Amino acid sequence: ETGVTQTPRHLVMGMTNKKSLKCEQHLGHNAMYWYKQSAKKPLELMFVYSLEERVENNSVPSRFSPECPNSSHLFLHLHTLQPEDSALYLCASSQDLGGRPQYFGPGTRLLVL
Amino acid sequence: GIQVEQSPPDLILQEGANSTLRCNFSDSVNNLQWFHQNPWGQLINLFYIPSGTKQNGRLSATTVATERYSLLYISSSQTTDSGVYFCAVEFGSNYQLIWGAGTKLIIKP
Repeated sequence: ETGVTQTPRHLVMGMTNKKSLKCEQHLGHNAMYWYKQSAKKPLELMFVYSLEERVENNSVPSRFSPECPNSSHLFLHLHTLQPEDSALYLCASSQDLGGRPQYFGPGTRLLVL
Repeated sequence: GIQVEQSPPDLILQEGANSTLRCNFSDSVNNLQWFHQNPWGQLINLFYIPSGTKQNGRLSATTVATERYSLLYISSSQTTDSGVYFCAVEFGSNYQLIWGAGTKLIIKP
């Protein structure tokens, strides 16, 4: 138990569906992250939020839309995804940006059909 | 940009064996973390170790920042140690972690 939870743990969706991934951290951290992990590839940072403000968007397609309503919650809204978006999506948090360890949730394993 | 290389890429050991995993990085770093990813995908922090040596049970880690490498030692391996071990570094004023490709460890009973 890392103090970071994610739901759902598994998700199968069609290319025309809209779904959302949820992340919640119980650590009192100020920074939250979305990562994508595809088979045989290093983790890719997608979005970074600090104190509920987005500070990084690493050239992620607009079919992925993040939302951070407060410092404890982070969402990733998904729409019109492609099969190549199938991956493990990981949420992480850290006390602040930079120089702090990051703690990860269990991930959502997404399959796009 | 900074390069992070891990070796070996794969390691198969019998239960009870010891192992050493290596992480080389190409520039000075502010932050280095070791993670274990279990077969279900959960990433667990093992060490936050930008320099020096730390120990936690059967695991220990050493980072020699001046020589740009870190080592993770696993002693008396157990089957539950199986998974992928990643190192990730942060450097300069960039807070983003740069990840190595990982070492896949299989411990056979």
